[in-house]
Amino acid sequence: DTGVSQDPRHKITKRGQNVTFRCDPISEHNRLYWYRQTLGQGPEFLTYFQNEAQLEKSRLLSDRFSAERPKGSFSTLEIQRTEQGDSAMYLCASSSGTDINQPQHFGDGTRLSIL
Amino acid sequence: AQSVAQPEDQVNVAEGNPLTVKCTYSVSGNPYLFWYVQYPNRGLQFLLKYITGDNLVKGSYGFEAEFNKSQTSFHLKKPSALVSDSALYFCAVRGPNDYKLSFGAGTTVTVRA
Repeated sequence: DTGVSQDPRHKITKRGQNVTFRCDPISEHNRLYWYRQTLGQGPEFLTYFQNEAQLEKSRLLSDRFSAERPKGSFSTLEIQRTEQGDSAMYLCASSSGTDINQPQHFGDGTRLSIL
Repeated sequence: AQSVAQPEDQVNVAEGNPLTVKCTYSVSGNPYLFWYVQYPNRGLQFLLKYITGDNLVKGSYGFEAEFNKSQTSFHLKKPSALVSDSALYFCAVRGPNDYKLSFGAGTTVTVRA
C-alpha cells in the first residue's frame, strides 16, 4: 500500500493561467474523490469517480474546472483561467469499491497559489 | 443535506490529561461518521469511524469516539494526551446512500508539555 500520491505538491501560477494536477489512488481502489480546502476550513467536496465514470460534481465545480479519470486509474483536475479565489489546497482521496464501509484515504494535496 | 459542527476552534490540554474534541452532525438516515487528523502541509489521516454497532469505537494512536444518536454527536477522546497529538482534527459525515464526505471546520489541538 503506497498510499494516495498527488503531483505537484505545490503550484504557483499567475492569474489567468491554466493548471493541471494529478492524483494516483491506492492501486486497488476504484473510487476517487477530489476536495478543496481553504485556510481555516474543512475540505469541501468537488467531484467523485467510480472507475472512469464521473458520478457526481459539486456546484463548487465551475465551468473552469474539469476532472478526468480516463482509464479508471489516475485522475487529473484542470483549472482554466485561474482566479485569486482558486488559491487552496486540492486534496485527492480514494476508497475501496468492494466495501463501502471503508474510509477514504487522502493524499498530501496540491497547494495552489495564484499570484 | 448533511453537515458537521465542531464548536471549538481550539482545544488546549496538558500532556497526560484527557482530551476531548466535540462534533455534532446532521444527516438523513443512519450516519457514517469519521475522524481525521491533519498535520501541517499534509493530507488527512484516518483515525476512526462509526458505521454501526457499539457506540464506543476505538481507533489509531489510542483515540476513541463515542456515538450518541439522541444528541447527534460523535466526540473524539483520548484518555491521556501526548505532545505529538498536537494537530488539526476534522469530523466528517456521510449518509447511507452517499459517498461524499461533509467535514467540520476543524479543531486545533495543542498539548503542552
